[in-house]
Amino acid sequence: AQSVAQPEDQVNVAEGNPLTVKCTYSVSGNPYLFWYVQYPNRGLQFLLKYITGDNLVKGSYGFEAEFNKSQTSFHLKKPSALVSDSALYFCAVRAMPGGYQKVTFGTGTKLQVIP
Amino acid sequence: NAGVTQTPKFRVLKTGQSMTLLCAQDMNHEYMYWYRQDPGMGLRLIHYSVGEGTTAKGEVPDGYNVSRLKKQNFLLGLESAAPSQTSVYFCASSPPEVHGYTFGSGTRLTVV
Repeated sequence: AQSVAQPEDQVNVAEGNPLTVKCTYSVSGNPYLFWYVQYPNRGLQFLLKYITGDNLVKGSYGFEAEFNKSQTSFHLKKPSALVSDSALYFCAVRAMPGGYQKVTFGTGTKLQVIP
Repeated sequence: NAGVTQTPKFRVLKTGQSMTLLCAQDMNHEYMYWYRQDPGMGLRLIHYSVGEGTTAKGEVPDGYNVSRLKKQNFLLGLESAAPSQTSVYFCASSPPEVHGYTFGSGTRLTVV
């Protein structure tokens, strides 16, 4: 069975500092990986995805994520945090190949950027 | 471009009542999904559809039914609501290719 672990319920970072939100996964075969952001009282918004190729994936709002196959990780990063980045972040994984495949979401990490 | 629209946004039901949650998407996506979000549990898939006229069970389908009579609409029904169904419900859609999902803004349902 596939799974996603987000080991930190909350991450606090000072505005202007780099941020990292951690994600590890378990899936049969090669993974497709995703990050989403959820602002209060809103639905999830897609940030970025990893399918294949370059291990560093760039996404919306200046976020990027690094895929590490040996560590089965897909950490979300941003060089300089903004107060407006404060939100709930979800990592998700699905297996290859194409067609419908179940997507498993993590339990979410609350990011708090402190002014 | 509205994306995914869910109605209603809020609802309070009494135990045993029924209701239907409506989801509409205007992106011509083949796949649609219903999730529930509960604190500490992330998102759990209730039912999904890979095309008009087709539906399938997800992780937590008990107590729910769905229909996809038109490609753009995906309906979630609760026949006899229970307090355990108090949750925030999200509809999402995607094309068949590997792609991020587009989510609606959610329906907050309370069953008393």
